[in-house]
Amino acid sequence: AQSVTQPDIHITVSEGASLELRCNYSYGATPYLFWYVQSPGQGLQLLLKYFSGDTLVQGIKGFEAEFKRSQSSFNLRKPSVHWSDAAEYFCAVDSGEHGSSNTGKLIFGQGTTLQVKP
Amino acid sequence: DAGVIQSPRHEVTEMGQEVTLRCKPISGHDYLFWYRQTMMRGLELLIYFNNNVPIDDSGMPEDRFSAKMPNASFSTLKIQPSEPRDSAVYFCASSFSTGTGFPDFGPGTRLTVT
Repeated sequence: AQSVTQPDIHITVSEGASLELRCNYSYGATPYLFWYVQSPGQGLQLLLKYFSGDTLVQGIKGFEAEFKRSQSSFNLRKPSVHWSDAAEYFCAVDSGEHGSSNTGKLIFGQGTTLQVKP
Repeated sequence: DAGVIQSPRHEVTEMGQEVTLRCKPISGHDYLFWYRQTMMRGLELLIYFNNNVPIDDSGMPEDRFSAKMPNASFSTLKIQPSEPRDSAVYFCASSFSTGTGFPDFGPGTRLTVT
């Protein structure tokens, strides 16, 4: 069965420092991968997605993620974190059921809470 | 586009009462999803529809939960009777079935059952 693991439940970084949030997935075929961000009391906003092609994906708010098939990973990165990036981040994989490679039916990781120190 | 619209945003009810959550998907989207978020279980899919037809309801916790999509612009998630363990944030999401589609999430409904 497909699964997503985010090993870090909570991460604290200083403002201006670089950030990497880890995500590992378990999936038999070519995965469709996503990163969403959730600010407190808000819904989920898509940061970026990977479907195919270039393994380095650029997203909104200066985020990027790299798909590494050999490591079954899709880590999220940002070179310089801003205080407004404090939020919860979710990695997800499309379950790809019913013969479609992209159903929108997502399996989410448990999330990583990012705290930014001034 | 206004995005996915959910109502109410907050709901507080007593155990045993019926609760109805509502969702208006983005116009033109043909998939609609209901997710639930709790501290213990994270984000889990309850049910999803394609062209108003329920495709997979295996995530619905029990018979107290039901969902309908009478038309392309409206869906409901009903809990009857509600229990304290149903307290969670319920998200509705919609997507378009293209090769690069992705779910757009609504703001969620925070349900508290006392």
